[in-house]
Amino acid sequence: ETGVTQTPRHLVMGMTNKKSLKCEQHLGHNAMYWYKQSAKKPLELMFVYNFKEQTENNSVPSRFSPECPNSSHLFLHLHTLQPEDSALYLCASSQVMPGEYSPLHFGNGTRLTVT
Amino acid sequence: GNSVTQMEGPVTLSEEAFLTINCTYTATGYPSLFWYVQYPGEGLQLLLKATKADDKGSNKGFEATYRKETTSFHLEKGSVQVSDSAVYFCALSRQTGANNLFFGTGTRLTVIP
Repeated sequence: ETGVTQTPRHLVMGMTNKKSLKCEQHLGHNAMYWYKQSAKKPLELMFVYNFKEQTENNSVPSRFSPECPNSSHLFLHLHTLQPEDSALYLCASSQVMPGEYSPLHFGNGTRLTVT
Repeated sequence: GNSVTQMEGPVTLSEEAFLTINCTYTATGYPSLFWYVQYPGEGLQLLLKATKADDKGSNKGFEATYRKETTSFHLEKGSVQVSDSAVYFCALSRQTGANNLFFGTGTRLTVIP
């Protein structure tokens, strides 16, 4: 496989469930990201991992817990979510190089519905 | 702060029509500007970029010019095709290195034959 792969594509979960979203990148990049895409809102950056270290956490509630075991894999662990957390969750990766811009490569997303 | 405002849409055009999607930004310093496109069922992908004032980014017939005086980065295409139907996102990055992109809300374009 090439690019950024996200699983599952769709997830329905109750508010008391625990689930995890998985992302894998095959591009050799050193940074990975989680974004939340909700209707009629700008994409929200949730977490950034640069060289496996979390460098950004944009005031995301603790019911979302990221994990980056290596530079190719990124997880988003979910527990006790709220219906307003229903959204498309996008994973992205990039190659961080000092002084240069490297575009983000996105996965196809996981459509999450919280019931 | 840093933010991006783009026209809400949706936009519906006939094939071969001229497209403009407006984007304006607020930023400190000298950001880089981008247009990303999201085709149905897919993630976002970079369409074009401009890293300094008066730069023109172009790709697949789309163009956008970085206008510092009007803080704008409008997306244009002279003749759209059905295959251009997608959601278009304007974004800015305030720094290089680990990306911290600020996205607009996206504009859905539908091109009808």
